[in-house]
Amino acid sequence: QQQVKQSPQSLIVQKGGIPIINCAYENTAFDYFPWYQQFPGKGPALLIAIRPDVSEKKEGRFTISFNKSAKQFSLHIMDSQPGDSATYFCAASPEGSARQLTFGSGTQLTVLP
Amino acid sequence: DAGITQSPRHKVTETGTPVTLRCHQTENHRYMYWYRQDPGHGLRLIHYSYGVKDTDKGEVSDGYSVSRSKTEDFLLTLESATSSQTSVYFCAIARGLETQYFGPGTRLLVL
Repeated sequence: QQQVKQSPQSLIVQKGGIPIINCAYENTAFDYFPWYQQFPGKGPALLIAIRPDVSEKKEGRFTISFNKSAKQFSLHIMDSQPGDSATYFCAASPEGSARQLTFGSGTQLTVLP
Repeated sequence: DAGITQSPRHKVTETGTPVTLRCHQTENHRYMYWYRQDPGHGLRLIHYSYGVKDTDKGEVSDGYSVSRSKTEDFLLTLESATSSQTSVYFCAIARGLETQYFGPGTRLLVL
């Protein structure tokens, strides 16, 4: 059972565009929502994370929007660049001693020059 | 760089053979994790450890075992490798309990 559903599977935008990646979760015990960026041949790298007590968080060109009532959160990349081309994963974890992350299936983003 | 190394980085093996993957950290973190990554599935947790000799199962633990005899090393063993275990395996550590950082991965091909 997939507890975090991510869409779209792939996304192509022009340089300067604003790609948006969406995730929806089912487990109401989730209280930590990170986004990871992965380049080919590398491990995932933490990009930005949010907790449900805020509706938006910005770090540089990356913004997370969070809708607790809808159980949805999304990643927006402002002024996207070809260097942002990567696979993006959303994840979620419940409060607890081990912080087990449940990942979405990933979105392959291509930013055209 | 989270101070995580994985070895080997690439391995080809045959069905039925045992395989051990090693994760080594240099920062003395308590929590360590093993994930597998497959197309269409994201990353799925195999096992995790919350201290020396303290381990627990994740979502896809069948066919895998782990051991942690030292804080810095977390081993993943496939007792008898199967083709369905062909995957990319990532180790991760948790800083401050919440934030997980991943190693470079091990590509395993089981023929």
